Amino acid sequence: AQSVAQPEDQVNVAEGNPLTVKCTYSVSGNPYLFWYVQYPNRGLQFLLKYITGDNLVKGSYGFEAEFNKSQTSFHLKKPSALVSDSALYFCAVIRTGANNLFFGTGTRLTVIP
Amino acid sequence: SAVISQKPSRDICQRGTSLTIQCQVDSQVTMMFWYRQQPGQSLTLIATANQGSEATYESGFVIDKFPISRPNLTFSTLTVSNMSPEDSSIYLCSAATGATSGNTIYFGEGSWLTVV
Repeated sequence: AQSVAQPEDQVNVAEGNPLTVKCTYSVSGNPYLFWYVQYPNRGLQFLLKYITGDNLVKGSYGFEAEFNKSQTSFHLKKPSALVSDSALYFCAVIRTGANNLFFGTGTRLTVIP
Repeated sequence: SAVISQKPSRDICQRGTSLTIQCQVDSQVTMMFWYRQQPGQSLTLIATANQGSEATYESGFVIDKFPISRPNLTFSTLTVSNMSPEDSSIYLCSAATGATSGNTIYFGEGSWLTVV
């Protein structure tokens, strides 16, 4: 079985402040973890992924995420938020041996000018 | 990476009709998938489109309702049959460029269907 939890439906942050979007997972075996962003009226864009190696993963648009095996978390972070970062963010997991993504419920990020 | 184009991007459909969505990838890919995103919801996998064979459907989705074709390594179609308002969703095509679990899966812009 596999599951992904995004505990916050909505995150608000002031422009220029650091942002964090939380994700925890439950999967048998080693997880492959992904973050995607969906801008209004658009499809999903890939941000970053963790497969193996360094726990800190850097991705597109200045985003990064830290894989924490003991806490089964993969939180998305950015040091300084931009208004243009306002969007819907999805965490997703592929369990070992599978090929399809299993998505969390999404977190809507609003960056306030 | 892979660039994925979907047609139509939007449509308004009459109840009881069927609509076929086309998905074209700019390079050969090993895996193609179809997802549904209902209004305000997350993405749910409908099926894996298998090249040259029948698609593999997830629980709750059946071939009669969502027939899928994948004639080659760059193209797939999803048909939404006998539509009802509950089928109003975004349908997203996605593709993976490798065969292993860790490969990045890319998405198209989605096809936004409204059934009236």
